[in-house]
Amino acid sequence: GNSVTQMEGPVTLSEEAFLTINCTYTATGYPSLFWYVQYPGEGLQLLLKATKADDKGSNKGFEATYRKETTSFHLEKGSVQVSDSAVYFCALSPDGGGTSYGKLTFGQGTILTVHP
Amino acid sequence: EAGVVQSPRYKIIEKKQPVAFWCNPISGHNTLYWYLQNLGQGPELLIRYENEEAVDDSQLPKDRFSAERLKGVDSTLKIQPAELGDSAVYLCASSSKSYSGTQYFGPGTRLTVL
Repeated sequence: GNSVTQMEGPVTLSEEAFLTINCTYTATGYPSLFWYVQYPGEGLQLLLKATKADDKGSNKGFEATYRKETTSFHLEKGSVQVSDSAVYFCALSPDGGGTSYGKLTFGQGTILTVHP
Repeated sequence: EAGVVQSPRYKIIEKKQPVAFWCNPISGHNTLYWYLQNLGQGPELLIRYENEEAVDDSQLPKDRFSAERLKGVDSTLKIQPAELGDSAVYLCASSSKSYSGTQYFGPGTRLTVL
């Protein structure tokens, strides 16, 4: 079945540091890939997505590139801020139709804390 | 545009009691999802609706969980009777009908079963 593996956290950084959160997946075909962010006390918000190989999703300074050859979708940001402190989830949605359509499979989440 | 609305935000009940959660999706979104999020884990799909039809309920524990979306708009998820292990956050999400439609999540209902 489909699965998503994220690097274990928590991750603690100083403001303006470089961020990488690793994400690898297992799925057949060409799933769509997502990063969601969950701020304290809030629901999940879509951060960025990519729907085909070599696509780069980007938003709010965050980037992730869909790498089919390494089945990865690592999240990066060049300079983190205190306001980026949150839980980050990598997820996939399988391609094709049928009952699996739209079924997001999430990783376990990575807690990011950014200190001033 | 209003987001996905869920209520209540928090619920504390005794074990063996019933509980219900309500979700109103984004206007015009045909697809509605209920997810379960245990502490320190990613969300797991419980059930997915296309309009009023439950098209994927394979992960819903049907002995105690039930859900409905009678008019294809808002939805209710019920647990009866609740068990200690049901303590978690219950998330609702919705999307428009497109192949890689983005799912928009509500704030969730945090359930504590004592």
